[in-house]
Amino acid sequence: AQKVTQAQTEISVVEKEDVTLDCVYETRDTTYYLFWYKQPPSGELVFLIRRNSFDEQNEISGRYSWNFQKSTSSFNFTITASQVVDSAVYFCALSDPRGTQGGSEKLVFGKGTKLTVNP
Amino acid sequence: DSGVTQTPKHLITATGQRVTLRCSPRSGDLSVYWYQQSLDQGLQFLIQYYNGEERAKGNILERFSAQQFPDLHSELNLSSLELGDSALYFCASSVARGWGTDTQYFGPGTRLTVL
Repeated sequence: AQKVTQAQTEISVVEKEDVTLDCVYETRDTTYYLFWYKQPPSGELVFLIRRNSFDEQNEISGRYSWNFQKSTSSFNFTITASQVVDSAVYFCALSDPRGTQGGSEKLVFGKGTKLTVNP
Repeated sequence: DSGVTQTPKHLITATGQRVTLRCSPRSGDLSVYWYQQSLDQGLQFLIQYYNGEERAKGNILERFSAQQFPDLHSELNLSSLELGDSALYFCASSVARGWGTDTQYFGPGTRLTVL
């Protein structure tokens, strides 16, 4: 079965520190997709990134970067020079094709990591 | 703003009652998903509809049902409510082109409180 583990329940850093959020996944599929979502205190879920299993290139977007390693089944997320506005719960998710038909498989989410950035 | 709208934002009701949550997907998206977020279970997939038809079912209780209408908006009906149904209910939508996996964009959620 698909499983996503975010071992860090809560992380607290001081502004401008770099922080890495860990995500480890389990799947028997050879083709799958991984996602990161952000849930700020206001409650909405905001999409950050999608990566397919064939693309192991790391990605950088501004202060955000993602490190995807199939060998360790990890898809870690790093925020460089963190800011107070980065405070949120971050979720890693894995696509699950079981029981669905054609495209847009359901998502299996990790429990989330609550990041607090203090001024 | 994801473009997915959900109403109402908050809902407070009593045990045994029935409520309806509404979702309008992003323009052009054919698939709608419902998820439940609770403290003990986390974010869990409930059900998916694609262009009016049910496509996938997750951990959805028999007391819960959903449908997608011809204009593609969706409703999630929760009946015989129990205290444990209190949660944040999210709707998400995606294009669902039929290959690969599309990104799901989430609405702001409906917070349901059962007293």
